Amino acid sequence: NAGVTQTPKFQVLKTGQSMTLQCAQDMNHNSMYWYRQDPGMGLRLIYYSASEGTTDKGEVPNGYNVSRLNKREFSLRLESAAPSQTSVYFCASSREGYTEAFFGQGTRLTVV
Amino acid sequence: GNSVTQMEGPVTLSEEAFLTINCTYTATGYPSLFWYVQYPGEGLQLLLKATKADDKGSNKGFEATYRKETTSFHLEKGSVQVSDSAVYFCAPYNQGGKLIFGQGTELSVKP
Repeated sequence: NAGVTQTPKFQVLKTGQSMTLQCAQDMNHNSMYWYRQDPGMGLRLIYYSASEGTTDKGEVPNGYNVSRLNKREFSLRLESAAPSQTSVYFCASSREGYTEAFFGQGTRLTVV
Repeated sequence: GNSVTQMEGPVTLSEEAFLTINCTYTATGYPSLFWYVQYPGEGLQLLLKATKADDKGSNKGFEATYRKETTSFHLEKGSVQVSDSAVYFCAPYNQGGKLIFGQGTELSVKP
């Protein structure tokens, strides 16, 4: 039972490079989320997708784009990476709003 | 908008001590409330939840009661173990259906 799978687990980028973080869930959930975790800041919501075909900005969307490719997959793209985007990124999904969210193992991204 | 405030860490306790981690939130409605736990090097797992006022969530010896009148959802455990060492997050849903998090409280339990 895979749950929420994120790839890659680790990544080092140079400033200005682009990359896409992948997330897939196999629980037939409608809602999916991208968060970033920084020391002392908790988890901050980057983008949210309530259902296939819809996305909504969270607290810290600047510098990121997302795609809800289908019900299973929700990708996060950094078009031009900056050192301030060094963080641990978590993808999560829930059956619908207001229900338990399940998290992936995270992607540790370093931008140098 | 909604926000959530947690007790600052780190919290260091001896094994079998009593644990309280405070959490208060501001909300324009009455959201569902969750506590998540993050063990070292792992993602977040749901610890317990409450979906309406006066609900008590419990799991693995942890408890939290949804107090509407004080907008609080404090986490408690009567006797902590070394294996409870982790970071604990309080998380309400806001009315827009987005799960928001407190800053996390690191707990370290010493034998």
